Amino acid sequence: AQSVTQPDIHITVSEGASLELRCNYSYGATPYLFWYVQSPGQGLQLLLKYFSGDTLVQGIKGFEAEFKRSQSSFNLRKPSVHWSDAAEYFCAVGPYSGGGADGLTFGKGTHLIIQP
Amino acid sequence: DSGVTQTPKHLITATGQRVTLRCSPRSGDLSVYWYQQSLDQGLQFLIQYYNGEERAKGNILERFSAQQFPDLHSELNLSSLELGDSALYFCASSSAGTGVSYEQYFGPGTRLTVT
Repeated sequence: AQSVTQPDIHITVSEGASLELRCNYSYGATPYLFWYVQSPGQGLQLLLKYFSGDTLVQGIKGFEAEFKRSQSSFNLRKPSVHWSDAAEYFCAVGPYSGGGADGLTFGKGTHLIIQP
Repeated sequence: DSGVTQTPKHLITATGQRVTLRCSPRSGDLSVYWYQQSLDQGLQFLIQYYNGEERAKGNILERFSAQQFPDLHSELNLSSLELGDSALYFCASSSAGTGVSYEQYFGPGTRLTVT
């Protein structure tokens, strides 16, 4: 069965500093990978996704992520964080069975705190 | 706004009761997924429906059931509620089907409190 590990439960970053959130997955084949963000009291918003092709993917709000097959990782990055980026970030993996017929498996999330 | 709507936003009920959560997917999406988010279990996939048919099951309890109607909205029924069922329940939709994109778009969730 697939699994997702987000090793950092909390991360504190100063406003304007760079950010990297780690995600490692376990899956037998090439997975579909996603990053979602959840602000307090809100639903999950899709930041970016990786299906195939270029291993560096760009998302919304200035985020990017790099798929590294050799490390089974899909780390999320942002060059300069803003106070509004404070939220919970979830990495997820979804198998492709020819019809998107399974739900996503989520990591436990990383809580991002932005220091002024 | 993802285009996925969920009602109600909050629900408070007592143990042993039954509740129904409702979800309307994004226009054109045929797949609906239900997830449960709790502090101890995190985000867990419960069940998926595609164009009215059950497509996949995750960690859904036997006390829980779902259905998708001809207009593609979906309902999640939770019965014999226990304190541990208190959680945020999300619905997501996608256009999942052979050859189309797979990303899921989430609704704002229904917060269920069982007292």
